[in-house]
Amino acid sequence: QQQVRQSPQSLTVWEGETAILNCSYEDSTFNYFPWYQQFPGEGPALLISIRSVSDKKEDGRFTIFFNKREKKLSLHITDSQPGDSATYFCAASAGTNAYKVIFGKGTHLHVLP
Amino acid sequence: EAAVTQSPRNKVAVTGGKVTLSCNQTNNHNNMYWYRQDTGHGLRLIHYSYGAGSTEKGDIPDGYKASRPSQENFSLILELATPSQTSVYFCASGDARTGGYEQYFGPGTRLTVL
Repeated sequence: QQQVRQSPQSLTVWEGETAILNCSYEDSTFNYFPWYQQFPGEGPALLISIRSVSDKKEDGRFTIFFNKREKKLSLHITDSQPGDSATYFCAASAGTNAYKVIFGKGTHLHVLP
Repeated sequence: EAAVTQSPRNKVAVTGGKVTLSCNQTNNHNNMYWYRQDTGHGLRLIHYSYGAGSTEKGDIPDGYKASRPSQENFSLILELATPSQTSVYFCASGDARTGGYEQYFGPGTRLTVL
């Protein structure tokens, strides 16, 4: 079964620090990697994404670093804010089957003020 | 941005009963998806659809059926609900014409099967 693995399961940082969320995958056909952010009681929302032809994608305080050779990627959240406290899901898609996406189990991020 | 709504938002059902979860999207997206979310498992795909009239099995389809009567509506049906189907269910939509990778999620339905 295709898998997307995330670590750590839970992460606590202080306000202003950089949070680093890790993700790895197995299937080399995956070519699109979105990260979703979910707040309690809500559905996931697309935060930032990267395609396998790139090794970095930046959007404000959020940056994805992608290593295709090692099948690893990470989400860096700089200057973390208490409002960033949420669950972050790494996902992967090969663009087949209606762009079916495989989700990791998520990282719970807690940002302390 | 796509608007995806789900109903009901909360549902309590009895074991063996029939449950229908409904999803509506207003942005004319081709693809729609049903997921369940459980602690320790993340989001798992149950069924998905390419468009009106189509339904496809996802990764965990056993015990579930799906129906896509129109572009806007996608239902998840539990013919004989079991306690193991207690979960939070999310519907999502995506537009194949613009790449399809981005999925827009509804607010979820919390289902409890007693």
